[in-house]
Amino acid sequence: NAGVTQTPKFQVLKTGQSMTLQCAQDMNHEYMSWYRQDPGMGLRLIHYSVGAGITDQGEVPNGYNVSRSTTEDFPLRLLSAAPSQTSVYFCASSRRGTANEKLFFGSGTQLSVL
Amino acid sequence: ILNVEQSPQSLHVQEGDSTNFTCSFPSSNFYALHWYRWETAKSPEALFVMTLNGDEKKKGRISATLNTKEGYSYLYIKGSQPEDSATYLCASPPFQGGSEKLVFGKGTKLTVNP
Repeated sequence: NAGVTQTPKFQVLKTGQSMTLQCAQDMNHEYMSWYRQDPGMGLRLIHYSVGAGITDQGEVPNGYNVSRSTTEDFPLRLLSAAPSQTSVYFCASSRRGTANEKLFFGSGTQLSVL
Repeated sequence: ILNVEQSPQSLHVQEGDSTNFTCSFPSSNFYALHWYRWETAKSPEALFVMTLNGDEKKKGRISATLNTKEGYSYLYIKGSQPEDSATYLCASPPFQGGSEKLVFGKGTKLTVNP
C-alpha cells in the first residue's frame, strides 16, 4: 500500500522562485492537510481540505496556495519562495475531516530557500 | 488557537525503566486527543485517538489515559526499550473553530539508553 506519497523529498530554491509540492493518497480519504515543521515548534497547519473542491486555511497560510481538484491529490504551491519558508513539509490525510480520525503522514519534503 | 502543551520537553531513561509524560489542553470545547510517535528520519505515526473522558488505550507496552474535565492526557511506556526512542506528539482541535483542524504540541523527545 502506497498510503500518502509526497514528492520531492528534497528541494533547494532561490528566493522568489515558485514550486509545487505534490501530495497524493490512495486510501480514498476525504481529508488532506499540509503541515510545516520548524525547530522548536510543533507541527503547524498550513492549509487543509475536507473534500474535493473544498479548501481552508490553517494557522500559517500566508505565502502558500492549495487546490483540491480530485480526492487523491492535494498540491501545495509556493508562488514566490522566501527564506522563512525553509522548513520540512508534511502532507497528511484522514478518512474524514473529523477530530476522531487519525492522520496518516507522508514522508516529508525538506525545503531550503536561499 | 488552543494551546496544546507537552511536558517534559525531553527525557532520558535507561532500558527497562517505565516512564510517562503529559499532554495538557484547555478542557472546554473538547473534541478528541491524538498521540503520535515520530522516529527520527521517519513520519509521525498515530498511536491513539481518544475521545471520551476516562478513556484508556493500550498498544503493547504503551498506554494512554484521558481526563477531559481537567484537560490532560498521560502517555505511559512500560519497560522502555531503545526502539522506543522517538518524539511523542499530542494534538487536539483548536479551542475556536471546527474539529477539522489539529493543533500539535511541541512534543516530548524520549531517549532510551541501552
